Amino acid sequence: GDSVTQMEGPVTLSEEAFLTINCTYTATGYPSLFWYVQYPGEGLQLLLKATKADDKGSNKGFEATYRKETTSFHLEKGSVQVSDSAVYFCALSGLSRGAGNNRKLIWGLGTSLAVNP
Amino acid sequence: DGGITQSPKYLFRKEGQNVTLSCEQNLNHDAMYWYRQDPGQGLRLIYYSQIVNDFQKGDIAEGYSVSREKKESFPLTVTSAQKNPTAFYLCASSMTGGRGNEQFFGPGTRLTVL
Repeated sequence: GDSVTQMEGPVTLSEEAFLTINCTYTATGYPSLFWYVQYPGEGLQLLLKATKADDKGSNKGFEATYRKETTSFHLEKGSVQVSDSAVYFCALSGLSRGAGNNRKLIWGLGTSLAVNP
Repeated sequence: DGGITQSPKYLFRKEGQNVTLSCEQNLNHDAMYWYRQDPGQGLRLIYYSQIVNDFQKGDIAEGYSVSREKKESFPLTVTSAQKNPTAFYLCASSMTGGRGNEQFFGPGTRLTVL
């Protein structure tokens, strides 16, 4: 079945360092790919998404490119800030097993990022 | 402002009691979801609903029940049959259809069984 694998955390960086969080996936067909962010004690927020191969999603200085040849969607940011400390989740839209054509999300386990001043 | 509300933010219950978590959305979304989040385990799907008066079990439905009587509301009941209910519960909603429809999340309810 469909699956998402993220690099394990925690990741600890100094402010202004370069960030990469790896995400690879296994899926049939052509899924959409997402990065969500969860700040401490809160729900998840969509950070960026890409719906087809070679699309680049970007938001708040974060970027990720949908690479079908390597089945990857790595998250990058050129210069992290303390306020970026959070847990980051990679997800893909998979075909639902039930009736209807709505797609459930398949989630990675999350990668915790801590940025020190 | 459109969004999803969950209440309460913190909930305590005694072992053996049923408890209901509220989820309301004003985004006019047809689909709604309940997830459970435990440390180190990511998000696990409990139940989801694609339309009013219909819902399907997710990956960990045992010990939980839901209803979808209104489009805006999708309450989750944690029953006494759930062996380990202490967790962070997240409700989400989305439009139906389409490959790129992201889910929107509420702020979550942290349930602690005493």
